[in-house]
Amino acid sequence: DSGVTQTPKHLITATGQRVTLRCSPRSGDLSVYWYQQSLDQGLQFLIHYYNGEERAKGNILERFSAQQFPDLHSELNLSSLELGDSALYFCASSVDRALRAPTFGSGTRLTVV
Amino acid sequence: QKEVEQDPGPLSVPEGAIVSLNCTYSNSAFQYFMWYRQYSRKGPELLMYTYSSGNKEDGRFTAQVDKSSKYISLFIRDSQPSDSATYLCAMSGSRDDKIIFGKGTRLHILP
Repeated sequence: DSGVTQTPKHLITATGQRVTLRCSPRSGDLSVYWYQQSLDQGLQFLIHYYNGEERAKGNILERFSAQQFPDLHSELNLSSLELGDSALYFCASSVDRALRAPTFGSGTRLTVV
Repeated sequence: QKEVEQDPGPLSVPEGAIVSLNCTYSNSAFQYFMWYRQYSRKGPELLMYTYSSGNKEDGRFTAQVDKSSKYISLFIRDSQPSDSATYLCAMSGSRDDKIIFGKGTRLHILP
């Protein structure tokens, strides 16, 4: 157990729907990162939050949004889902803003049908 | 040119052999270099973390960074079947708020 908790582990939903993925970072970690992993694209950086503030955005679609709450857990919201959004979504956390060598959770596998 | 390039493999080697995994990159601002191991359907697990150029050793693993060539390597000595996994290189700059990953190399250690 890495200490980073992601729920749910699996999610199957239909196109056009909206889902929320949840991440609880390791105790004491202030930074949370979200990554998307698909077979052909590898691990793609989506967004980084540090202590509740957005720090960096990657190639995150406008249909996707995220936030980090005062208790430091984070949620990734995916809306108007398309078949191509099917992927593994990982959250990672680190103690500081720089996010060197983050610790990853076990991921949420999203299947859009 | 992609920021981080990594041969996807698969790479198959016999048990006990030395494995060499590599990545090249284009962004000279990268200062922090990492190697992660990922088993199928699991989250990436940090193996090695180095700053700037040089070597770092941890057990059977050695990480090398050559910033002049923009080239990093991971060596695995006395490879074991349990080392069979996908190995991801990752890097970031000193001012970056993001880490960029290679696509990963699939490694198979043959008993």
